[in-house]
Amino acid sequence: EVQLLESGGGLVQPGGSLRLSCAASGFSFSNYAMTWVRQAPGKGLEWVASISTGGVNTHFADSVKGRFTISRDNSKNTLYLQMNSLRAEDTAVYYCAKGRVGQWLGHFDYWGQGTLVTVSS
Amino acid sequence: EIVLTQSPATLSLSPGEGATLSCRASQSVGSYLGWYQQKPGQAPRLLIYDASNRATGIPARFSGSGSETDFTLTISSLEPEDFAVYYCQQRNNWPITFGQGTRLEIK
Repeated sequence: EVQLLESGGGLVQPGGSLRLSCAASGFSFSNYAMTWVRQAPGKGLEWVASISTGGVNTHFADSVKGRFTISRDNSKNTLYLQMNSLRAEDTAVYYCAKGRVGQWLGHFDYWGQGTLVTVSS
Repeated sequence: EIVLTQSPATLSLSPGEGATLSCRASQSVGSYLGWYQQKPGQAPRLLIYDASNRATGIPARFSGSGSETDFTLTISSLEPEDFAVYYCQQRNNWPITFGQGTRLEIK
């Protein structure tokens, strides 16, 4: 059974940093592109960042470019999102999502339960 | 950036009725469009990928159609568990984008 378990969310002050983790199990993690998607309270879904299978290629939404970094440790089956210079508008539930087989730019067939990040003083 | 516009914003129907949800892209996405269902407090669930392919475990009452800029998600006969928010998503170009969602509510 595919499982994605996010952690690392919480309350952080504007300008602060936070690192999210996503522990994956039930599939061959290193063979799939992975993605972070966020959802602000009461709002729709917003793609944040994606990373290729080997971690060499990444893409970011303009809203987070230069502030967020996505990475992965295939030996630990774990995806990360390092978030720096956080702003109030980064407040959201952050989901990690697994790309469909063979899709670097893809749809997402499994999602974690999400972790809430709140940026507030 | 490709903008996806979903209509209607809210759809009020009764169980047993059919539902038609629309997603229009600001430029062609070929067939690279998917649909997700999200219930309150839950993560999204992939229903349809690449315009017309049902994801694993998705009931046959869900179907997708369309290409280029105009896409439709059809639910043939609504079950009580189908009332939720539905999002479309394109994977033709970076950045990946989602529509703003259609809320399907019980009439």
